[in-house]
Amino acid sequence: GAGVSQTPSNKVTEKGKYVELRCDPISGHTALYWYRQSLGQGPEFLIYFQGTGAADDSGLPNDRFFAVRPEGSVSTLKIQRTERGDSAVYLCASSSSGRGGETQYFGPGTRLLVL
Amino acid sequence: AQTVTQSQPEMSVQEAETVTLSCTYDTSESDYYLFWYKQPPSRQMILVIRQEAYKQQNATENRFSVNFQKAAKSFSLKISDSQLGDAAMYFCAYLWGSQGNLIFGKGTKLSVKP
Repeated sequence: GAGVSQTPSNKVTEKGKYVELRCDPISGHTALYWYRQSLGQGPEFLIYFQGTGAADDSGLPNDRFFAVRPEGSVSTLKIQRTERGDSAVYLCASSSSGRGGETQYFGPGTRLLVL
Repeated sequence: AQTVTQSQPEMSVQEAETVTLSCTYDTSESDYYLFWYKQPPSRQMILVIRQEAYKQQNATENRFSVNFQKAAKSFSLKISDSQLGDAAMYFCAYLWGSQGNLIFGKGTKLSVKP
């Protein structure tokens, strides 16, 4: 079946603007994860959803970042008042049930550039 | 806090040869999982291999195998018969049994010479 998809592939915005990044997980996967990958670094965890609820949002850097998953499928990562330091690749992943040790399957990411 | 260290920022291998990528991690947990992911220029992270810490047997997937040394907290990846398509960034990652989030190392860039 289809893998994890993310839109847009690339996003250029100006400092101070609001952006939304979308993730469509593998059909039937109840667990969904957001990571941020800065240039030359490994991905860093942002937030994890189990169904519609955020099971762990400890990785969100500040209150400008917010994510939702209202129907337990598609998720949107929202960034308010963007800053140049928010420029990175935002990766989404999903896993079947979120039980310990499950493999996470990643999407191709959204590259965000804040000018 | 758990950490993952990849000490080789870049590695190079001749086509058809074997290369080993290093990874060490720090944890006080006993129930965890380790992964190697490949990230080509397309950005998509692709699972290469997965190891459960409670299993002593090293995981293998075709040309890819790991050397898992639990006491030493070491988890190296061996790629045999290297192919041009193996060129990519390789990330080692740790997952604690009851946590959701992967903890990644900084990655190793692998080049394959024809």
